[in-house]
This record gives sequence, structure tokens and C-alpha cells, in this order.
Amino acid sequence: GAVVSQHPSWVICKSGTSVKIECRSLDFQATTMFWYRQFPKQSLMLMATSNEGSKATYEQGVEKDKFLINHASLTLSTLTVTSAHPEDSSFYICSAFPGQGSYEQYFGPGTRLTVT
Amino acid sequence: AQTVTQSQPEMSVQEAETVTLSCTYDTSESDYYLFWYKQPPSRQMILVIRQEAYKQQNATENRFSVNFQKAAKSFSLKISDSQLGDAAMYFCAYRSPSGTYKYIFGTGTRLKVLA
Repeated sequence: GAVVSQHPSWVICKSGTSVKIECRSLDFQATTMFWYRQFPKQSLMLMATSNEGSKATYEQGVEKDKFLINHASLTLSTLTVTSAHPEDSSFYICSAFPGQGSYEQYFGPGTRLTVT
Repeated sequence: AQTVTQSQPEMSVQEAETVTLSCTYDTSESDYYLFWYKQPPSRQMILVIRQEAYKQQNATENRFSVNFQKAAKSFSLKISDSQLGDAAMYFCAYRSPSGTYKYIFGTGTRLKVLA
């Protein structure tokens, strides 16, 4: 149980275009989902927290107009990287949290984004 | 604000031997959760072990155990009988019991297992 999927697992896009990454909790409902960015050989950096039906809360320094997050349902959150640039190339990981009474976040397998 | 520190960027262990990864944290909260996650080359985050701060007993999961010292704010991970498959990045994480439920991650320790 507690499986989280991400799609796509790998995407290449041209500079200036937008790309959407989906995060789904497959066998549970997630009141909260998190989006992380990870650079090579570094830790996970939290970008934003999203709660179903409300606006995402972005961490300091994260451009909310560039990284659009939509948590449309209790099983789906999306991250859209708008007007992507090569410096947005990174590994993006989502996680899902079932809600009060739960202990841990459940992580997706990640999405590698390459902007050319 | 809470912080998590992993002071060992890299560790090596001989296969079948035991290794301990260090983690310290800073918090003013009395109740919280601590986690160790493993990130192998596939980059999928895998929960290794979890500790609730209100529990005095150290958590164990097969070959993995923790030494939780609440007063010292220390949470080390011991891996016994190390296997080649244990080679990975290991992250320590802190979570408050309520609020946003977000994790505070340490910087990670890369574990190499030598055959």
C-alpha cells in the first residue's frame, strides 16, 4: 500500500516552453502533497506544500509564477514549470501525506527534467 | 526553527560489518517524529526507520536500528551486517507532530559498501 506515482519519469523540453508533472497517490487519499527539487548529490529542497482545494504554500525563494502547483483532488497534484529555462533542469520529487494520524510522507519515484 | 545536521558526507563500510550514521537536530518542541530515508541510485526515497519522540525505546527494523538520545538531540542509524544493497544516500528527517507536516531534511550521508 501507500504508493505514489509520478508522470512522466523523464522529460526533455525546449527553453521557453512549459511542462507539467503529475503526482498521484494510488491507494490512499492525500490531504497534503509536497514538491521537492533535488540537485545532484544534494538533499531534497522543499519547494511547496499543497493542500487539496486550496492554494499552495511556497517556500521562500521559490517563484510561484514559475512553478505552478494545483492540487485538484485528494489523489492528484500537478507541478507546471512555466517558461522553462536550462537552469530549471533538475530532479523533481513529490510526496503525499494521508493526513492527521499518519506518520510519514510517501514519495513518488521522481521526474528528471532537462531543458534544452 | 528546526534544523537537522548530518556531519558525515560520506562513510564506507566493509560488507558484513556494522556502520553508524550520525544525525543531530535542534528543536524546541517536545513531541516530534524522526526518520531515516534511503535513496539508492534509482533516487526513489525509501523509509528505513521511524522514531516517535515520546517513545523511549529505540526503533529497530531488522538490520537497522537507531540510537535516539532525546536530551542530546541525537538520532543515529546503525546498520548491522552491511550488504552491497545498502549502498545509497541516507537522509535524516524531522517532522513536527502537527501543522504543515513538512520534513526538515539533513544534507545526507553517502554510504559505500566495500566487497
